[in-house]
Amino acid sequence: AQRVTQPEKLLSVFKGAPVELKCNYSYSGSPELFWYVQYSRQRLQLLLRHISRESIKGFTADLNKGETSFHLKKPFAQEEDSAMYYCALTLGNTGKLIFGQGTTLQVKP
Amino acid sequence: GAVVSQHPSWVICKSGTSVKIECRSLDFQATTMFWYRQFPKQSLMLMATSNEGSKATYEQGVEKDKFLINHASLTLSTLTVTSAHPEDSSFYICSARTGRTQAFFGQGTRLTVV
Repeated sequence: AQRVTQPEKLLSVFKGAPVELKCNYSYSGSPELFWYVQYSRQRLQLLLRHISRESIKGFTADLNKGETSFHLKKPFAQEEDSAMYYCALTLGNTGKLIFGQGTTLQVKP
Repeated sequence: GAVVSQHPSWVICKSGTSVKIECRSLDFQATTMFWYRQFPKQSLMLMATSNEGSKATYEQGVEKDKFLINHASLTLSTLTVTSAHPEDSSFYICSARTGRTQAFFGQGTRLTVV
């Protein structure tokens, strides 16, 4: 069955520290993975997708098919990065998204 | 980016009544819309997929007679929670996309059934 797992509910770091939000997936097909972010009182928005292989707001994520992981990383966290982060998997061409449980990132000054 | 708007943002209704939630794509035509449900401090759970002009496809365990979805135009999908009960209280979120583009999310609707 398709599943996305984010093992950490809360990740708290100090400003300037490196950040890694973990995401593991289970999917029998060829996965397309995303990271979504939800800032306080705002709607869910796309942060990045693995096929783009780009860096957004300093964040990167590499798909590791061997480890079935798609961890989100940033070398130096900023206070404005504080938000809820969701890892998601899309099922084929359907556009359906399967979300992980979400990780709250708290960046302390 | 494209804008998806949900209305209302929050609603309180009495047990046994029905509630309609609208999801509109404001500046693009959405061939597909998705409805999600989010319980407090939990993840988004896909409820159903609707394509314009056709019947919605519901995920396993979602009662289609309870959650009526209509996608009558390329810019509007509605979710009606029929005969709502307190256990239907939740945060409902829609997303919309056109073709194979990324999905854009609405701001969500907080439903409280009393």
